[in-house]
Amino acid sequence: DTEVTQTPKHLVMGMTNKKSLKCEQHMGHRAMYWYKQKAKKPPELMFVYSYEKLSINESVPSRFSPECPNSSLLNLHLHALQPEDSALYLCASSQVQGQGNYEQYFGPGTRLTVT
Amino acid sequence: SQQGEEDPQALSIQEGENATMNCSYKTSINNLQWYRQNSGRGLVHLILIRSNEREKHSGRLRVTLDTSKKSSSLLITASRAADTASYFCATGGGAQKLVFGQGTRLTINP
Repeated sequence: DTEVTQTPKHLVMGMTNKKSLKCEQHMGHRAMYWYKQKAKKPPELMFVYSYEKLSINESVPSRFSPECPNSSLLNLHLHALQPEDSALYLCASSQVQGQGNYEQYFGPGTRLTVT
Repeated sequence: SQQGEEDPQALSIQEGENATMNCSYKTSINNLQWYRQNSGRGLVHLILIRSNEREKHSGRLRVTLDTSKKSSSLLITASRAADTASYFCATGGGAQKLVFGQGTRLTINP
């Protein structure tokens, strides 16, 4: 199984809402990632979990809160978002390599609209 | 600053023609990867070329890497309508960290 699944596919939320994005993989990968992608731009890394521990936080605002409950699951909790946070949120996973980079497997993304 | 920069930003060709897109990067790399993204969907890994490799093939894809010029190219031969997508190069920005180029939007016209 080489699939990364993400739910929901689409999400519309108000600025006062709390919602969560979910990501799951069963490839035995021990690195999982959240990216944010605006239209016609490349993905921008937000967070990396390595062996279920947060290893990289790219100075993401605290209204985004990641969580890795186990080696297969990755959540992104959203609270008090701003309209400029509207974007495609991509989850990815990969093997862990010391200082290098393996290929990453991406989910289909969650299209988030903040109203 | 962005590790990978690609050109052209957009490319439109006829079906059956070859498409070439280029990527330049700024720092030393362990490997360089190419990804494809269909409109509004997740990225699909196409090919990884290591820093000690100069050329790699996968089906209709040919990737070259010139570490002396800090550049790579992706050639898609005999293009098909299904190749219409955005193509991104990505290089390592540290352990488990990929930095993506701005991407090339490829349109294959029937």
